[in-house]
Amino acid sequence: AQKVTQAQTEISVVEKEDVTLDCVYETRDTTYYLFWYKQPPSGELVFLIRRNSFDEQNEISGRYSWNFQKSTSSFNFTITASQVVDSAVYFCALSEPADSNYQLIWGAGTKLIIKP
Amino acid sequence: DVKVTQSSRYLVKRTGEKVFLECVQDMDHENMFWYRQDPGLGLRLIYFSYDVKMKEKGDIPEGYSVSREKKERFSLILESASTNQTSMYLCASSPQSESSEQYFGPGTRLTVT
Repeated sequence: AQKVTQAQTEISVVEKEDVTLDCVYETRDTTYYLFWYKQPPSGELVFLIRRNSFDEQNEISGRYSWNFQKSTSSFNFTITASQVVDSAVYFCALSEPADSNYQLIWGAGTKLIIKP
Repeated sequence: DVKVTQSSRYLVKRTGEKVFLECVQDMDHENMFWYRQDPGLGLRLIYFSYDVKMKEKGDIPEGYSVSREKKERFSLILESASTNQTSMYLCASSPQSESSEQYFGPGTRLTVT
């Protein structure tokens, strides 16, 4: 059963719009970690953020923000005032240390297209 | 900076050929991973290694083997390439920490004709 769901396959917005990428996860563990990665057209995945299950504080980094809500098992990613350079595929991933031996469980990814 | 390098960005091979994809990391990481990425399917783990000479099968190991003779190098081997192995192959490494992210190489786009 898929444990990380990124329901949005592709999103297209016009530059300067705000956009939110959804990530819903499933786990029975109390200790787990959530990640977001960016894959630009060049192909190399770039790590963006890690959040542990005990820290529900939202995170902001420039135009990027992340909303972690355990009550809804979601870890959503918002880009404010999007730019063309934000065009990429974005992946959400889950680590369950008790179960998965350092492996990550990946969502299918959301392709974000920012139009000028 | 962590650096993960892969031997080729693009590779074209013929059906039945033996193919070696090489991955090297320079951060003394214990863990190394091979994924393939196909449109709509995300990243799928082929094999994982947590130490020299140690390996574990991932979700889709059929048709692949791996070798880890040195800590910094993890090789993916296609014993007899087939057209359905045409894909993007991504290598990653991480330390043995439950909270650590994985660091990725630039990927190898393999075409089997």
